[in-house]
Amino acid sequence: SQELEQSPQSLIVQEGKNLTINCTSSKTLYGLYWYKQKYGEGLIFLMMLQKGGEEKSHEKITAKLDEKKQQSSLHITASQPSHAGIYLCGADQTGGFKTIFGAGTRLFVKA
Amino acid sequence: EPEVTQTPSHQVTQMGQEVILRCVPISNHLYFYWYRQILGQKVEFLVSFYNNEISEKSEIFDDQFSVERPDGSNFTLKIRSTKLEDSAMYFCASHSQRNSPLHFGNGTRLTVT
Repeated sequence: SQELEQSPQSLIVQEGKNLTINCTSSKTLYGLYWYKQKYGEGLIFLMMLQKGGEEKSHEKITAKLDEKKQQSSLHITASQPSHAGIYLCGADQTGGFKTIFGAGTRLFVKA
Repeated sequence: EPEVTQTPSHQVTQMGQEVILRCVPISNHLYFYWYRQILGQKVEFLVSFYNNEISEKSEIFDDQFSVERPDGSNFTLKIRSTKLEDSAMYFCASHSQRNSPLHFGNGTRLTVT
């Protein structure tokens, strides 16, 4: 079955610094999602990537899917305290009826 | 913006008791899911539901679990005889079509004592 591995597990950055979170799949990705979760709350959808080489941006967050469609990265420019939380990548299982998730990356932003 | 709502936000129950977790998905959505997240761990798939039947279930979703869509708006998860290891955050999610982003509720924190 497909597995998603995220790195790093946690990250502490100074406010204003850039950072990157990675998500690697054991199989080809046909739909890759990025979500953000605040402690004790539900997952909030950020972006979806489907095509190899695709890149999407929203405010200061950019997500990319590599050409081989097995790895995605999430890049935050000039981090702010509001960016703090858990970032999870998710993928649709081919032929299945579910989205699976990576273990998440905990981001802390120091003011 | 429409949202998925879950009740209660927190449920405490004794081991062996039955619990029902409730969800109201977004009204025009057709696919419904339950996930759980044990504290500090991954978000794990439990079950998917479409057209009034289970589409897929995980190994976690054993005979102690059941789901139901009793009317046009509610989607419930029942645990018949809770165990300590059922303590987790349970999330309901929905979407209008496959291979599209899921919309999640804020979860029910279940504590089994």
